[in-house]
Amino acid sequence: ETGVTQTPRHLVMGMTNKKSLKCEQHLGHNAMYWYKQSAKKPLELMFVYNFKEQTENNSVPSRFSPECPNSSHLFLHLHTLQPEDSALYLCASSYNTGELFFGEGSRLTVL
Amino acid sequence: AQSVTQPDIHITVSEGASLELRCNYSYGATPYLFWYVQSPGQGLQLLLKYFSGDTLVQGIKGFEAEFKRSQSSFNLRKPSVHWSDAAEYFCAVGERNTGFQKLVFGTGTRLLVSP
Repeated sequence: ETGVTQTPRHLVMGMTNKKSLKCEQHLGHNAMYWYKQSAKKPLELMFVYNFKEQTENNSVPSRFSPECPNSSHLFLHLHTLQPEDSALYLCASSYNTGELFFGEGSRLTVL
Repeated sequence: AQSVTQPDIHITVSEGASLELRCNYSYGATPYLFWYVQSPGQGLQLLLKYFSGDTLVQGIKGFEAEFKRSQSSFNLRKPSVHWSDAAEYFCAVGERNTGFQKLVFGTGTRLLVSP
């Protein structure tokens, strides 16, 4: 139990569906992150929020839409995804010390 | 731009044997270096970090890492591996002026532990 909870753990969606990933942290951290983890590739930083404000968008396609309503919750809204978007999506939070606390991830499969 | 190279994709070590996982970084200024571990089905967990000072840093679970500026390396070591150490290990580099919010990760090294 890392204090970062992601739901759902597994998601299968068609290319025309709209779905959302949810992340919640109970650690009082100020920063929250979405990372994409694909096989044989480095972990890719997608978005960073610091005190609810987006501070990083790493050239992520607009079919991924993040939302951070408060410092404890982070969403990733998904629409019209492609099969190559299938991956493990990891949420993390931190105090800006470099120690990221990760959730267990949401395994996404796009058919 | 920062980059991290982990040259070994897989490593197999016998239980009780010593372990060294390699990490090389590319960064113009003083690097801030991290090792994370990911057990199957889990997120990543911080093992240790180097910011400054003593170049040999101790971490959790009996791991240590040594920063060698001349070799641009930050290798992870453990004197005696346990079966529970089987996992994937990631080296990362970050910048203090971004609040470490832009960690750059390597591709990871998968550790297999044989009986």
